[in-house]
Amino acid sequence: DAGVTQSPTHLIKTRGQQVTLRCSPKSGHDTVSWYQQALGQGPQFIFQYYEEEERQRGNFPDRFSGHQFPNYSSELNVNALLLGDSALYLCASSLDRGNYEQYFGPGTRLTVT
Amino acid sequence: KNQVEQSPQSLIILEGKNCTLQCNYTVSPFSNLRWYKQDTGRGPVSLTIMTFSENTKSNGRYTATLDADTKQSSLHITASQLSDSASYICVVSEGGSYIPTFGRGTSLIVHP
Repeated sequence: DAGVTQSPTHLIKTRGQQVTLRCSPKSGHDTVSWYQQALGQGPQFIFQYYEEEERQRGNFPDRFSGHQFPNYSSELNVNALLLGDSALYLCASSLDRGNYEQYFGPGTRLTVT
Repeated sequence: KNQVEQSPQSLIILEGKNCTLQCNYTVSPFSNLRWYKQDTGRGPVSLTIMTFSENTKSNGRYTATLDADTKQSSLHITASQLSDSASYICVVSEGGSYIPTFGRGTSLIVHP
């Protein structure tokens, strides 16, 4: 049973560029959430996707957008990258019932120079 | 505003010793509380999850407690091992919301 997978593992971008991160949820999970984790901090909620729609969003600007595909996989897009966007981006999947326990992927380390 | 505060911020112990990590929260209404272990540069891994009616949950050498009245939780690690070195994060979910509130974590270092 494959867990949550994310790609790429590491990424280096320049200020102003755009980036797309990808996530495949744990088998059987239909809900995907994205988090940003700065060094030494706890994860910050970006948004959650369910049934291909953004269901809830945290306090992040519109430069952050996402998508969920019919197979429940998801993408996170960040436009006009800033130095402050450098962080570990985590994807978590869950089942939309029960205790909503989230399973996290290994993350994508984004460095903006 | 929902908040989750963890203490201590960091902790150093010797291998084989026990330790207890604390979590205080203001999230309301309460839905559930989870403890995660996060190795450096990796995604968090769930250790325990507790709902309002549960006050103790164990997972091997990890035991979590919950006092919903005082809004406090603790994670007790017994007979620590070098592999326990990691960040331990307390996460509290609000009833009716899909957005969990994360603590900043306690960084635990276990020395031989």
